[in-house]
This record gives sequence, structure tokens and C-alpha cells, in this order.
Amino acid sequence: NAGVTQTPKFRVLKTGQSMTLLCAQDMNHEYMYWYRQDPGMGLRLIHYSVGEGTTAKGEVPDGYNVSRLKKQNFLLGLESAAPSQTSVYFCASSYISRGETQYFGPGTRLLVL
Amino acid sequence: KNEVEQSPQNLTAQEGEFITINCSYSVGISALHWLQQHPGGGIVSLFMLSSGKKKHGRLIATINIQEKHSSLHITASHPRDSAVYICAVCPMDSNYQLIWGAGTKLIIKP
Repeated sequence: NAGVTQTPKFRVLKTGQSMTLLCAQDMNHEYMYWYRQDPGMGLRLIHYSVGEGTTAKGEVPDGYNVSRLKKQNFLLGLESAAPSQTSVYFCASSYISRGETQYFGPGTRLLVL
Repeated sequence: KNEVEQSPQNLTAQEGEFITINCSYSVGISALHWLQQHPGGGIVSLFMLSSGKKKHGRLIATINIQEKHSSLHITASHPRDSAVYICAVCPMDSNYQLIWGAGTKLIIKP
């Protein structure tokens, strides 16, 4: 099993450009999450999904959109990138929620110039 | 004030030392997690606790629910233990969102 994979691993964008980050998991997990990690701060939840076709806002959703058309995939979109979105993005999944163990992807480093 | 506080923020120790990392939280929780983030960036789950103590190899995690405090101990530390250790709690009233500590950066010198 590959676990949780993320593409791309690294990307440089110019302000105003758009991009989509892809997260895929092969563990048949219901819950999927997108986090961002910034220096000196804990992980912050951007959006999450409790199942195929569902999405919900997390702590810092502004500037991002998500879609979960297939159970194994969770896409994070930036419609118009801003320098404040420079960060490391992690995707995670869990079988169920209520505090269950989350399995993380390797992360995507995004630099917005 | 953060709802999850870790201490120390940074810790440097010599190989072989006994390491303790602390996590204090201010909300009622259903579970607490300890995770490890390697220098390369990957995050792996070490423990999930709701009471008592768990041990895996040289790692021991304890939690005191009444005092809202958890500790992660590493015995016979090794340079490969160098990583950021992250505490996260699942609040009682939350189904999805963990509250994350900022992490403790541990460096073990040979």
C-alpha cells in the first residue's frame, strides 16, 4: 500500500496564478483533511471531508477550495494564489474521526512569489 | 493563550540521555496524540492515548486526564530520534478537528 500520496512535492507560483494539489489514499478511509504548516505554528486545518461528495470548512478555509469526487482523492485548489499562502501543505486521512489516528502524506511545499 | 502548549520548544541532548517532552491542554478531550515529524518533513503517528500509559520500543507516553497533561519520554536517546514531536488533542465536543501543539524540536548529539 502506498498510504497517502501528494502531488506535486514542490511548486513555485506567481501571485494570482491557480493550482490544484492532489491527495490520494489507498486505505479506504472515510475522512480526509488538508492542513497547512507554517514556521512556529501548529498544523492548521484548511478543509476536511467526511466522505465521498462531502466537504467542510476548517480553521483557515479562505482562499482555498476542495473537492472529493472519489473516495480515494481529495483535491485542494488555490484559485488566485497570494504570498500568504506560501506554506507546506499536508493531506491526511483517517478511517473514522472522533480522534482516530490520522495518516499523513509527505507534504507539498508551495512558494508564492 | 494556546489551548495546547508544549514544552520545551527546543531541546538538545547527548546520545543516551533520557528525554521528556511535555504537553498541557486546557479543554476536555476524548484522546491525545503524539506524532513525530522527521527532518525530511514526513509526519507519523506515535501514540493515541485516552488514559494511562503506552509504550513502544524506547518511547513511552503518559497522560493525566485530571491534570490535563501528557508526557512523551524517550529512553536511551539516539541521533535518529532527532525530530519535531507534536502533541494534538481531540476535544470532547469535536468530531473532526484536532487542536495541535506547535511542536518540540529535539536534537540528539552523538
